[in-house]
Amino acid sequence: EDQVTQSPEALRLQEGESSSLNCSYTVSGLRGLFWYRQDPGKGPEFLFTLYSAGEEKEKERLKATLTKKESFLHITAPKPEDSATYLCAPLRSNYQLIWGAGTKLIIKP
Amino acid sequence: DVKVTQSSRYLVKRTGEKVFLECVQDMDHENMFWYRQDPGLGLRLIYFSYDVKMKEKGDIPEGYSVSREKKERFSLILESASTNQTSMYLCASSLYRTGGYTEAFFGQGTRLTVV
Repeated sequence: EDQVTQSPEALRLQEGESSSLNCSYTVSGLRGLFWYRQDPGKGPEFLFTLYSAGEEKEKERLKATLTKKESFLHITAPKPEDSATYLCAPLRSNYQLIWGAGTKLIIKP
Repeated sequence: DVKVTQSSRYLVKRTGEKVFLECVQDMDHENMFWYRQDPGLGLRLIYFSYDVKMKEKGDIPEGYSVSREKKERFSLILESASTNQTSMYLCASSLYRTGGYTEAFFGQGTRLTVV
């Protein structure tokens, strides 16, 4: 059975303190992996798509990486506006996403 | 600017009522999706549609139906609302790509409470 687990569930950082969020998955026939950001009371907003192990994508203070069993979202020198829930979603062989429960990131000024 | 609009932000309905959730997108996307989101769980796919009048069951279709009469509009119907359908409902759309998958754009969500 396909599964995805995000850790930690919540992460509190000081402004400027870099860290990483983890997305571990067991998905047969993986076709890619998506990262989204979700602000309170809003729908998820697309960040990145990764298609193969070793691939990396960057956007401002965020960098996503992919291995055969997990993906990391690295946050460098975060700012309070980076506070949000970050969701990962592996893409299954039938082109349907399976979503993690998310990591709630809080950046304190 | 791309936009997916859900008809209501908040809804309160009684057990047994028939409930309609409406979603409209202005991006001419072929694919549309309905998800529910509950605390501690990932988004779960209820139904999706890849064309007008076409629909496919997702992971949790029981108790729900959908309608897509026009390309831009995708409706979720709760035939007889129950308290376990209290949840955040999210609509999304994406562009079709042969042999691939493109990112989805989401609406703001409808928080439905069934009492």
